[in-house]
Formats: sequence, C-alpha cells, structure tokens
Amino acid sequence: EAGVTQSPTHLIKTRGQQATLRCSPISGHTSVYWYQQALGLGLQFLLWYDEGEERNRGNFPPRFSGRQFPNYSSELNVNALELEDSALYLCASRPGTGTGYNEQFFGPGTRLTVL
Amino acid sequence: DAKTTQPPSMDCAEGRAANLPCNHSTISGNEYVYWYRQIHSQGPQYIIHGLKNNETNEMASLIITEDRKSSTLILPHATLRDTAVYYCIVRANFGNEKLTFGTGTRLTIIP
Repeated sequence: EAGVTQSPTHLIKTRGQQATLRCSPISGHTSVYWYQQALGLGLQFLLWYDEGEERNRGNFPPRFSGRQFPNYSSELNVNALELEDSALYLCASRPGTGTGYNEQFFGPGTRLTVL
Repeated sequence: DAKTTQPPSMDCAEGRAANLPCNHSTISGNEYVYWYRQIHSQGPQYIIHGLKNNETNEMASLIITEDRKSSTLILPHATLRDTAVYYCIVRANFGNEKLTFGTGTRLTIIP
C-alpha cells in the first residue's frame, strides 16, 4: 500500500510570493491534515479537510489556505510569504471508518524555504 | 487536549530496552494516550495507543498506570534506527481530532 505522498520535496520562494504544496492521501483515506514544523519548534496543526470541506483550522493567518479535491488529494496555499513561513510542512491522512480510523499517517513533508 | 510532560532527552544502549516516560496528570476519562516518533526531518510515525490497559504491538509496549496519570513507552530491544524524537499525545478518540504535539523526548541509541 502506497503511503501519503507530498510534492514538491523542497520549495524555495522569496518574500511576498505564493507557495502551493500538494498532498495525496493513502488510497481510501478521506481526511487530510496539514501541519507546520518550523525549525526548533514542534508540529503545529494548520488545517483539516474531510470529504472536500474544511473542518478545522489552527491558529494561523488567513493567508494560509487550502482545499481538498474530489479524489481527496489536497493543496496548501501560502500567500504573501514571510521569512518565518520557512518550515517543514507535513500532510497526514486518515481513513474515514474502519481499521486505523484514529491513526494519522504522515507523508515525508515539503521543506519550504523563504528567502 | 490534555497537556503532557516528557523529559527532553534520553540515551539508551543498543540492544537494551528503552523506557520513555510521559506524565499526563490532567487526562480526561475519554482521552487516549498516543505515541508517535519522528526520525530526523521525516514525517511522524504512529507507534501505539491505549486507553487504560497495557498494549503491545510489533513496535513497542505501552504501560499506563492505573490512575492513568502517566505512561511508559517501551522499545524492548532498541536499535540505532530507533534514534528519534518520541511524542506522547493525549486526545479524545473520535478520529477527527487534530494531534497536538509537545516537544517530545529525543531518544539517542548508543552503539
């Protein structure tokens, strides 16, 4: 079974630009979570999508947004990039029901660097 | 989510059992104890979870005290590949709850 995949692996942007990060959940998983892990800090919850809808968001400004597509893949968009947005962005997926319902499976992450 | 307290770092000799403690004195009756680990710059990996009974799987064992205010994750025969940051998380088991990660314990396995 293929795991959660994320692209790109690395992304370099300059201040003020926009970044788009992509996540493909495990087949059959309907929920996608996004987390930010800045250097020296813990993982911070960003967004949760389920069945195409945003269900919850963490304490981040509106320039962090995203969406979930009908195939349950997801995009995270960060507008007006700031230096402190440099971080590892992790995506996790969870099945809607059944075995593993309560476990989140993480992808390898996208490392975003803002210059 | 209830707050957890873990030691910032621990060392363990290769081949020995690694015992990682976690305090969660404010845990609620419907909250489970979850353990994840994160190997350098990779995504966190689920290890194990439990409510009040001890649990064991192919990776580890989880011992939860009777009052549920603390727990211990046991890696029975630590290998160098077990070097990682280990996170203890408590949360309600509704499946849709976000994970709230603390600072975790950095476990280093010594050859």
